[in-house]
Amino acid sequence: DIQMTQSPSSLSASVGDRVTIICRASQSISSLLNWYQQKPGKAPNLLIYAASSLQSGVPSRFSGSGSGTDFTLTISSLQPEDFGTYYCQQNYNTPYTFGQGTKLEIK
Amino acid sequence: QMQLVQSGPEVKKPGTSVKVSCKTSGFTFSNSAVQWVRQARGQRLEWIGWIVVGSGGTNYAQKFQRRVTIARDMSTGTAYMELSTLRSEDTAVYYCATGVTSFRSWGQGTLVTVSS
Repeated sequence: DIQMTQSPSSLSASVGDRVTIICRASQSISSLLNWYQQKPGKAPNLLIYAASSLQSGVPSRFSGSGSGTDFTLTISSLQPEDFGTYYCQQNYNTPYTFGQGTKLEIK
Repeated sequence: QMQLVQSGPEVKKPGTSVKVSCKTSGFTFSNSAVQWVRQARGQRLEWIGWIVVGSGGTNYAQKFQRRVTIARDMSTGTAYMELSTLRSEDTAVYYCATGVTSFRSWGQGTLVTVSS
């Protein structure tokens, strides 16, 4: 199985900050990487697919980049509603696997 | 607007089975795929398997291969996930979601509690 590792596991940032979350795959997965945001008690919500494509309806302050084994999710200017846990997920092959999550708190 | 509505919470005893339903609307069910994912409290998301609705073809994670069945009823637009031989470690929120390479719309989740 492909292992997905995120860093950091948690972070605290202020409104307006630029935030970066890193996801690393245990082998090359080309650009087959998605990002989700999950709020407490809710289902995940797709933000970015195919490493860098913005899902419809998602604010443009979210962006993704990377290919191969190293990927980045960036929030250009943090907003209060961006709190939650962020997960990366590979769909290069099954079983699809997720990172352990990055919990983002607003200072 | 895509909607997936799951069945309610379940409490099961070890060794029994649970069947969770996922009723869909707002898209062409027969042209879709439905994925199942679970999340134990405080843990990462874990992929269980998927079904290609039109063909009925399935793909399961090896971890669940012997215990899971994913099916669909095209007449009602509903997908099902049945997990057998339950153990305490299966206590989790179970989600259905649509999509093949990314999970675009999700159900609200179904809490399955396995306890003697």
